[in-house]
Amino acid sequence: NAGVTQTPKFQVLKTGQSMTLQCAQDMNHEYMSWYRQDPGMGLRLIHYSVGAGITDQGEVPNGYNVSRSTTEDFPLRLLSAAPSQTSVYFCASSTGTGRGYTFGSGTRLTVV
Amino acid sequence: AQSVTQLDSHVSVSEGTPVLLRCNYSSSYSPSLFWYVQHPNKGLQLLLKYTSAATLVKGINGFEAEFKKSETSFHLTKPSAHMSDAAEYFCVVSWGTSYGKLTFGQGTILTVHP
Repeated sequence: NAGVTQTPKFQVLKTGQSMTLQCAQDMNHEYMSWYRQDPGMGLRLIHYSVGAGITDQGEVPNGYNVSRSTTEDFPLRLLSAAPSQTSVYFCASSTGTGRGYTFGSGTRLTVV
Repeated sequence: AQSVTQLDSHVSVSEGTPVLLRCNYSSSYSPSLFWYVQHPNKGLQLLLKYTSAATLVKGINGFEAEFKKSETSFHLTKPSAHMSDAAEYFCVVSWGTSYGKLTFGQGTILTVHP
């Protein structure tokens, strides 16, 4: 089925470990973004991309890196995990401003 | 900074009664407005969107929202609640120059009683 695929669905990390959350879409969408969801705070933008090779920071970028080498993939890297990064992470894609985003099913990350 | 405020963190209704979820956004030109729904432990699903066409927007599952520029509001309504409507709802805004970046409200948890 077409859509946004996130892997893994669940992950437990130890403080200081690094990992990559994967995101892929097969809809040829130019815009992709990463959000984190924390209780009572809605979703907050971490990083976003408006096309292959173009990325920029969102509201809460510290501790995360991204790259966009292809239109389809937009991985999110945690450089050195901290307990404050315990959250649910969502990847989303869109054809452009005003079109609405399609969200992946999320990755629940726990850092101990 | 541009912002979105959902005026109620929790709304509780009885099945068959109307639903009103309130949303205000900070004033700016060319906003695109969305409502998303999230059922427990699920992803987000687009309910409806406003992108400068008709001010009354119809979405899925009987939901509607009205864009009121003078009040900077985009409230979500449904005439008759169903048990399956119990979920968390997010009002979301994208501004014209934001390259598609979304700003989320804090969310409203809707509880539907039998």
